[in-house]
Amino acid sequence: EVQLVESGGGLVKPGRSLRLSCTASGFTFGDYAMSWFRQAPGKGLEWVGFIRSKAYGGTTEYAASVKGRFTISRDDSKSIAYLQMNSLKTEDTAVYYCTRREVTMVQGLRIPVFDPWGQGTLVTVSS
Amino acid sequence: DIQLTQSPSFLSASVGDRVTITCRASQGISSYLAWYQQKPGKAPKLLIYAASTLQSGVPSRFSGSGSGTEFTLTISSLQPEDFATYYCQQLNSYPRALTFGGGTKVEIK
Repeated sequence: EVQLVESGGGLVKPGRSLRLSCTASGFTFGDYAMSWFRQAPGKGLEWVGFIRSKAYGGTTEYAASVKGRFTISRDDSKSIAYLQMNSLKTEDTAVYYCTRREVTMVQGLRIPVFDPWGQGTLVTVSS
Repeated sequence: DIQLTQSPSFLSASVGDRVTITCRASQGISSYLAWYQQKPGKAPKLLIYAASTLQSGVPSRFSGSGSGTEFTLTISSLQPEDFATYYCQQLNSYPRALTFGGGTKVEIK
């Protein structure tokens, strides 16, 4: 069974750092890009960023709201993706989810698919 | 960034009802649209990708349609386990600026 489990959330003061982990099982982790999303309390979903597989350079992309403060990395030997969050702001308070990304062909289009999602980990930024 | 507008934002329906949710994009996104279901305290669950392709394991009462700027998610016969919030997501901007609609909460009438 494909499974993703996030950990590392908690209460942190503004300006501080936190690192989240996403531990994968049930698939060959190194073959897939991994992505992070978040959801502020009572709000909608927001894409945070993603990291490509090593076969595609392991490069990263980020949402404008976190670029320069957040860093995504991966350890394929441990099947873990990380989200390093620096200079945290109160508006970063959210449940953070990791997902696996695969690409499938549908009627000639390369379609990215984000599935499954982990259960999420809550990050609260407050003084 | 591409904006997605879902309507309605809230929907009250009965078991057995046919339910339709609309998602409109601020510019054409071909078929780069996905639909998710989210229940309280749970992670989103992928229902449909590429606008109309049902994800494996999702009941056939769910269907998606549309292309360009207007899309719909239809539940043909609402079941008790379908009461949840539904989000659309555009992937035309991939790998950057993936955006979601504001959500549609489906509640029991």
